[in-house]
Amino acid sequence: AQSVSQHNHHVILSEAASLELGCNYSYGGTVNLFWYVQYPGQHLQLLLKYFSGDPLVKGIKGFEAEFIKSKFSFNLRKPSVQWSDTAEYFCAVNAPGNSGYALNFGKGTSLLVTP
Amino acid sequence: KAGVTQTPRYLIKTRGQQVTLSCSPISGHRSVSWYQQTPGQGLQFLFEYFSETQRNKGNFPGRFSGRQFSNSRSEMNVSTLELGDSALYLCASSKDQGVQYFGPGTRLTVT
Repeated sequence: AQSVSQHNHHVILSEAASLELGCNYSYGGTVNLFWYVQYPGQHLQLLLKYFSGDPLVKGIKGFEAEFIKSKFSFNLRKPSVQWSDTAEYFCAVNAPGNSGYALNFGKGTSLLVTP
Repeated sequence: KAGVTQTPRYLIKTRGQQVTLSCSPISGHRSVSWYQQTPGQGLQFLFEYFSETQRNKGNFPGRFSGRQFSNSRSEMNVSTLELGDSALYLCASSKDQGVQYFGPGTRLTVT
């Protein structure tokens, strides 16, 4: 079955620490990959996306992600987190040639950044 | 440009009742998708509408239905509510086959 796995459910970091959140998917064929963020009390917002081309994509607020096709992974990174990065992060995948444009989400990673 | 709007923002219903939720997409977006978010199951796809036609459907019972109007606004309906239907219902709009932009959601509580 097609699935999206996020390795860490809860992450606690100090400000200025580096962040890497793992995401793996089990889809064959062409995929579109996304990271969304949900800040406390706010709606889901797009952080970054990968459709094709350069596998290293840059998003808003200093986030980046790398698509590694051979590993079916799309890990999210940020070199130095801030307290304002406290939020829930969701990896999502769709497979246009397979299941259409419906997003299949991972379970999410809750990030707490402490001062 | 205004974002995706959803009404109402909060609802409390009793088991067995039915409910209708509304979504207005971003201007120019013709695709509207609905998702259910719960602590246990996370975010799950319900259905997608494009040009008034259901284009894709998730794995939910027939009690969950939707429709889209000619102005791209969409509604979803849940009949015979169950306690397990308590969730945040999210609407997302996109230009066809593009990035999905989410609304704030409708928080449904079934008692």
